[in-house]
Amino acid sequence: GAVVSQHPSWVICKSGTSVKIECRSLDFQATTMFWYRQFPKQSLMLMATSNEGSKATYEQGVEKDKFLINHASLTLSTLTVTSAHPEDSSFYICSSTSGGSALYNEQFFGPGTRLTVL
Amino acid sequence: AQRVTQPEKLLSVFKGAPVELKCNYSYSGSPELFWYVQYSRQRLQLLLRHISRESIKGFTADLNKGETSFHLKKPFAQEEDSAMYYCALATQGGSEKLVFGKGTKLTVNP
Repeated sequence: GAVVSQHPSWVICKSGTSVKIECRSLDFQATTMFWYRQFPKQSLMLMATSNEGSKATYEQGVEKDKFLINHASLTLSTLTVTSAHPEDSSFYICSSTSGGSALYNEQFFGPGTRLTVL
Repeated sequence: AQRVTQPEKLLSVFKGAPVELKCNYSYSGSPELFWYVQYSRQRLQLLLRHISRESIKGFTADLNKGETSFHLKKPFAQEEDSAMYYCALATQGGSEKLVFGKGTKLTVNP
């Protein structure tokens, strides 16, 4: 299957700083990338959908100015948590689809990034 | 609104016993349902999708539109099946977005 990587795998930062998380598709071109957030022992909550070369579409309740998403190429999407606060501490997971003829394409998930804001 | 419900947070069975992980959905349109699995210290991966009507690792799931269910079943559980299982719903419109249930942690005891 296709491989999606995330970097870093974990990060600790001070409150008020910004953190960038990268999501890369290693062996395919990712038409669409998704960013999820997962709280401990809870399900994945979709934050936003990004398509290469266009603005991300954010889910209701997600602050677009706080969670900046850039999908500048078919293999890279970044999520920047701006002015992070302790409540932003969470597990952030990206996934991507490769596009194609299937109506609903399989999502390939990255390993996730653990963010801890002190 | 689209919703996926997995009523069991935890499910524990013995090796060789049948297992059924329940999933119910709420969606007014024609849904596409998936089961994703996350083994310990591994990333989330697709287990099966209803449209494929296939059996993966001995697991099957049938979409029951009357009961709005997509339960995952395996007749004889194995220890390596221990994992977190998520049911997910894709809605119409080609947006490819998935709505996930809260997940069920399956433990298969020796």
